[in-house]
Amino acid sequence: NAGVTQTPKFQVLKTGQSMTLQCAQDMNHEYMSWYRQDPGMGLRLIHYSVGAGITDQGEVPNGYNVSRSTTEDFPLRLLSAAPSQTSVYFCASSRTGVAEAFFGQGTRLTVV
Amino acid sequence: ILNVEQSPQSLHVQEGDSTNFTCSFPSSNFYALHWYRWETAKSPEALFVMTLNGDEKKKGRISATLNTKEGYSYLYIKGSQPEDSATYLCAFCGGDGNKLVFGAGTILRVKS
Repeated sequence: NAGVTQTPKFQVLKTGQSMTLQCAQDMNHEYMSWYRQDPGMGLRLIHYSVGAGITDQGEVPNGYNVSRSTTEDFPLRLLSAAPSQTSVYFCASSRTGVAEAFFGQGTRLTVV
Repeated sequence: ILNVEQSPQSLHVQEGDSTNFTCSFPSSNFYALHWYRWETAKSPEALFVMTLNGDEKKKGRISATLNTKEGYSYLYIKGSQPEDSATYLCAFCGGDGNKLVFGAGTILRVKS
């Protein structure tokens, strides 16, 4: 099983550019989420979804959009990249909100 | 914003030492407490998911306890080995049961 697949693994953007981080899971999980990881701050929740067609904001949603048109995919869109969005991004999925989360391999994003 | 605290921030021990970490979380609206192991250049992987007050979980040399009434969990590693070197994250699932709030992690380095 592939589990949770994130692309790309690395990306450099210029300030103001937009891009989409892709996330796909093949475990038929209802719950999917996006986190960013910054030094000394642990994983912070950006957006999450409890099923296809349903999304909600997490702790740090500003500057990011999500959609969930299928169970498998949960892309994260950066609308207008800013240096403050330089971070490592992780996508995760789980069977329920309480169950263990399975993480993708991460995307290291640098905004210059 | 829910507050999840982990201590210590980092720990350096000798091979064979036993060690323990603490995770503090809100004592109300509790759904679950997760522990994850995060090795450098990899993704976090779940160690334990605990849902009941008094839960004790064990996997090999690693064990965890849970006290939901006072809002803390301990992770124990018996006879640390160099391959135990990693960041250990705890995550609290509360509120509506749909989100995980992560602590900043404890970095463990085991010297041989």
